[in-house]
Amino acid sequence: DTGVSQDPRHKITKRGQNVTFRCDPISEHNRLYWYRQTLGQGPEFLTYFQNEAQLEKSRLLSDRFSAERPKGSFSTLEIQRTEQGDSAMYLCASSRGGGAYTEAFFGQGTRLTVV
Amino acid sequence: SQQGEEDPQALSIQEGENATMNCSYKTSINNLQWYRQNSGRGLVHLILIRSNEREKHSGRLRVTLDTSKKSSSLLITASRAADTASYFCAIRYNNNDMRFGAGTRLTVKP
Repeated sequence: DTGVSQDPRHKITKRGQNVTFRCDPISEHNRLYWYRQTLGQGPEFLTYFQNEAQLEKSRLLSDRFSAERPKGSFSTLEIQRTEQGDSAMYLCASSRGGGAYTEAFFGQGTRLTVV
Repeated sequence: SQQGEEDPQALSIQEGENATMNCSYKTSINNLQWYRQNSGRGLVHLILIRSNEREKHSGRLRVTLDTSKKSSSLLITASRAADTASYFCAIRYNNNDMRFGAGTRLTVKP
């Protein structure tokens, strides 16, 4: 257990429905990252936060995706009007800052299946 | 692309043998981290190596970094069946996000 917690672990939803995932980072970590991973591929960067500020968003993050970290602690990732192509593992990671010395730790991920 | 590229894509060895996998990247980096992922699970952090370091060890793991060649290698010595997993390098180019390659899938046969 790395200390990064993601909920739920699994989610099955019908196409067109909205889903929301939650990530609780390690408590003293001010950086929080979201990645998406499909089968046989490496994690793809989606977005990251420094405290409550969303500092970077990937072009992968279409307007159906939104992420928040309202108080600089936990974060949510919402996908609206889900499509089958959204089926993937959604991974959250946290780190203490972003410098050369900082390790990032991942949660167990949320596996989304869109049927 | 800013992501790392692992090589080989797949590696199959016998228990007790050493496994070496490589990661190449394109521009100057801040640090490079290696992760392990068992099937369907999250990523487990293995080692971080900074751009001013050349080698780090952790148990049976040895990581090297050659910034002139823009490459890193992960060596697992005396492999075990439990080392079977996918291994990823994550590149941090500045103080921002990390980028991953497609990984090396290691199979250790008992």
